[in-house]
Amino acid sequence: RKEVEQDPGPFNVPEGATVAFNCTYSNSASQSFFWYRQDCRKEPKLLMSVYSSGNEDGRFTAQLNRASQYISLLIRDSKLSDSATYLCVVTPGGGGYNKLIFGAGTRLAVHP
Amino acid sequence: DADVTQTPRNRITKTGKRIMLECSQTKGHDRMYWYRQDPGLGLRLIYYSFDVKDINKGEISDGYSVSRQAQAKFSLSLESAIPNQTALYFCATSDSTSGRVLGSGEQFFGPGTRLTVL
Repeated sequence: RKEVEQDPGPFNVPEGATVAFNCTYSNSASQSFFWYRQDCRKEPKLLMSVYSSGNEDGRFTAQLNRASQYISLLIRDSKLSDSATYLCVVTPGGGGYNKLIFGAGTRLAVHP
Repeated sequence: DADVTQTPRNRITKTGKRIMLECSQTKGHDRMYWYRQDPGLGLRLIYYSFDVKDINKGEISDGYSVSRQAQAKFSLSLESAIPNQTALYFCATSDSTSGRVLGSGEQFFGPGTRLTVL
């Protein structure tokens, strides 16, 4: 079983739609959680961290459910510029450093 | 100017050749990483370095070696390239101070090197 699993998509949505991605992780001791965004043929970049209480950044909302070991990302009012691959990332427990475990990513395509 | 640079950006080589991929950063970060990315798989860690004198194997280090020549430079070598090393390779950096703060897991990636081994 992969440490971090994501639905690869693609999710094809019209502009203005709301779309949600889920991610599950296998290590219950995982400590930190993130969403990275990767544009086609580009490097990954941090989109947002995911906190236990949930957090929001503009149109983006991230949620963490430790009991079920899943993380979600909600994008409201999708824009064409949101088209990208979204990577779910966790850090394993026990380490004092930020080693990152990446999911394979979920591809989003927003169309006019 | 980019904070994390990688050279070359694209490389085509033949089986058995020795290849070096280079990474430089101007962010002043102490930690550097090498990943590879394959379709359908997440980024996988090859090697990482916490400072010039510290080198650690990641999950897929076989067939690779690294050198941390200076705090700002971290190179990845394929001693004898094979076709299943065809992939997109990323270098990344992070600041050790951010690693001590839970929730701060930002790594900064270079633009990637697309390597094809024939």
